[in-house]
Formats: sequence, C-alpha cells, structure tokens
Amino acid sequence: QLQLQESGPGLVKPSETLSLTCTVSGGSISTSNYYWGWIRQPPGKGLEWIGSIHYSGSTYYNPSLKSRVTISVDTSKNQFSLRLSSVTAADTAVYYCARLEGSGWSLDYWGQGTLVTVSS
Amino acid sequence: EIVLTQSPGTLSLSPGERATLSCRASQSVSSSYLAWYQQAPGQAPRLLIYGASSRATGIPDRFSGSGSGTDFTLTISRLEPEDFAVYYCQQYGSSPLTFGQGTKVEIK
Repeated sequence: QLQLQESGPGLVKPSETLSLTCTVSGGSISTSNYYWGWIRQPPGKGLEWIGSIHYSGSTYYNPSLKSRVTISVDTSKNQFSLRLSSVTAADTAVYYCARLEGSGWSLDYWGQGTLVTVSS
Repeated sequence: EIVLTQSPGTLSLSPGERATLSCRASQSVSSSYLAWYQQAPGQAPRLLIYGASSRATGIPDRFSGSGSGTDFTLTISRLEPEDFAVYYCQQYGSSPLTFGQGTKVEIK
C-alpha cells in the first residue's frame, strides 16, 4: 500500500522560507505514469494546488505562487520536497503531499497533512 | 484559470436520503480531467471519482459521477453516517489545477 508522509517545521517566521519533505513508501517515486504534488488548505478554507513534479524533474507550478515556489525530487531517497520563500501569515495552512495519476491528474494518494503556522 | 463553482454550499439531509452535488466550470473541461473528493473533519481528502464518472478503488457504488463540458454532478444514492463530510470537485483540463470551494453535506 502506497503511503506518503510530510515532514518539516510546524512554525516558520514571516519572510523566511518554508521547507517540507514528502517521503513515499510502499512504491517507487520513479514511475513514469505519475506526478507528485503539493496542495495546501488554510484553516477552515478550501484546497489550493501549489505545484507538481515528475521523477525526471519536470515541474508545474501554480502561477499564483510560482515566483516563491521550488519543488524538487530525490529519487535515491524516494522523496520530494517543497520550498516556499518569503512567507507571510497568509501561507499558514495544512500542507499535503499527494500522487497525481498520470492520465488525468486526479490525486489518488494523499499524505495525512502537516500544519505549518507562519508567526513570529 | 478555470473556476469551479460548487452548489449548494451546504446540503442538509438525513441518513438514507439522496444527495446531489453540482460543480460548474467557467470553461469547458474534458471529462478525463474532472475528479471528486471527500474530506472528513481533520482528515486528508479522499479520491471518490475520476474521469467524471469512474469510481476510485474501494469506493462504494452509492457514489456516482456524471456530466460533461461545464456541468458535473456527484450523486450519493443513499447517505450513510460516514458520508457526512465536505466534497470538492477538481479539474486539470488546463493549468493551473483548480478545486471548487466545496459542498458540506451535514446531518439534518
């Protein structure tokens, strides 16, 4: 059974960089049919796609966040990572990692999510 | 950017009743790229429907999806207690991938 697990600091100061890692277990990240992505959900609000990456390194980002986002992949560790720079309180959210099914980009496996709070 | 508008915002129903949730897109979406998710409180979303009408693995047949173009529907034929949750539609017909704002199905 494929499992995804987010990890990283739960508290980030304003103007600093948020960094999270998603560890994939029960399957390989190096599968051509899938992308791997980050989605966030501010408290009490809806879902926002941040971006996605293929194991080959090909990336897609949400234009609304593109200037601040970097997603990378480490196939040797079966992990992919998110960096979001210059954070503000508006970036406070539960951050999920997920697998995107290749033909239609539905998100078929999700991590449990990790709350990141931006505060001094 | 394709905007997805879900209605109603909240649906108040009793167990055993039928639920009909709507998702309307601001531009036409290929059916291949329309999905539905269920999110219970404090949990990650769960994929229910992909390709507008195909049930994901392990999803009961009381859940069904339909629609094309700009109008899509998720139907729950008979609500079970565990079905009371928030439901989101999602598209990737064009970048960026977007979600609807959600419909909450609550116990009446």
